[in-house]
Amino acid sequence: DTGVSQDPRHKITKRGQNVTFRCDPISEHNRLYWYRQTLGQGPEFLTYFQNEAQLEKSRLLSDRFSAERPKGSFSTLEIQRTEQGDSAMYLCASSPEEAGAGNEQFFGPGTRLTVL
Amino acid sequence: AQRVTQPEKLLSVFKGAPVELKCNYSYSGSPELFWYVQYSRQRLQLLLRHISRESIKGFTADLNKGETSFHLKKPFAQEEDSAMYYCALSPLLDTGRRALTFGSGTRLQVQP
Repeated sequence: DTGVSQDPRHKITKRGQNVTFRCDPISEHNRLYWYRQTLGQGPEFLTYFQNEAQLEKSRLLSDRFSAERPKGSFSTLEIQRTEQGDSAMYLCASSPEEAGAGNEQFFGPGTRLTVL
Repeated sequence: AQRVTQPEKLLSVFKGAPVELKCNYSYSGSPELFWYVQYSRQRLQLLLRHISRESIKGFTADLNKGETSFHLKKPFAQEEDSAMYYCALSPLLDTGRRALTFGSGTRLQVQP
């Protein structure tokens, strides 16, 4: 499978614990995005990387959230001191840098986080 | 601020009936509009985007800037069209920003 992959697919944690998710984009894509999706809602943008540079951050990305893409390939999203409100599906997407490609983004399967 | 509204949470039709999934947006510039689809137990995938002006799986969508709408249409629904459909907006064309804003989605159920 050459699509976007995410690990783990499911994570259950206790309130106050830290969690880290990984995203591997499609190999030739230099842009990587994180979104969060709660029940009954569409995905909400969190942050975006072009190569290793973090170029956009949503106000949703509180100081407990941090994302990295140190070598411009895979990315990690860490949530510190998790709260029950963090329970959601965390989606990763990637897109190529091609003229005329517009902003089509390719999504991974998501990591479902449950905070008890 | 940009916003995407999908007024229907659920749309149920019979096989062979026409389908129209509504999408309205709020944005002052020139957006790029998309329809994404999520079939059961599958990931979110692009169905179509307005700049390509193509028909995918029999679906079409026309950007109406006057009505700020991007409704998704199909003349004859098939059972395999049953899925969750999301309308999304990107301000990329005139701002360079790449964050997608999604609507809350419409579940399409096509009954036999």
